[in-house]
Amino acid sequence: QVHLVQSGAEVKNPGASVKISCKASGYTFTTYYMHWVRQAPGQGLEWMGIINPASGGTSYAQKLQGRVTMTRDTSTSTVYMELSSLKSEDTAVYYCARDISATIDYWGQGTLVTVSS
Amino acid sequence: EIVMTQTPFSLSVTPGQPASISCKSSQSLLHSDGKTYLYWYLQKPGQPPQLLIYEVSNRFSGVPDRFSGSGSGTDFTLKISRVEAEDVGVYYCMQSIQLYTFGQGTKLEIK
Repeated sequence: QVHLVQSGAEVKNPGASVKISCKASGYTFTTYYMHWVRQAPGQGLEWMGIINPASGGTSYAQKLQGRVTMTRDTSTSTVYMELSSLKSEDTAVYYCARDISATIDYWGQGTLVTVSS
Repeated sequence: EIVMTQTPFSLSVTPGQPASISCKSSQSLLHSDGKTYLYWYLQKPGQPPQLLIYEVSNRFSGVPDRFSGSGSGTDFTLKISRVEAEDVGVYYCMQSIQLYTFGQGTKLEIK
């Protein structure tokens, strides 16, 4: 059974960075790409980027280029998303989500990141 | 960036009645490989989204047959033949022909 378990909630000051983890289980980690999607309070879904766990190759949303970095650790089947220079507008629930044939089938439980001074 | 526009913003439906949501893309979602990269998700309150429909009209595993998708090119529709209480939430369309973008969502409520 596929499980994506994310790290816990974070509170950060403006200008700081946050790094969220997503541990995958129940399938071969390197076979499926992983997305990151965020959702601001009461708002819709925003795609952030995607990582190929096999190669480490990434593709990011243009809006976040330069501030977002996605990495992976194949030894622990974990992907990471780091967002730097945090602003209040980055307050959101962040989801990791597994890709299957250019769509998303499984989602993590979400990680709330609050940016506030 | 491909822009996805959903209508209506919200709808209130009596149980047992049908519902329909429209999604329009700013560019064609038909790829040269013959596939159309349009998907529908439902986000129930307090949960992550769940995949309902892939490639316009294919129901994902476990999705009831009261859900159906149709359309082509830039115009797409999600229909629920008979709405049930468990269908409440926000519905999103998503394209993946050029990176990924979501519609703004359509909130379904029960009357």
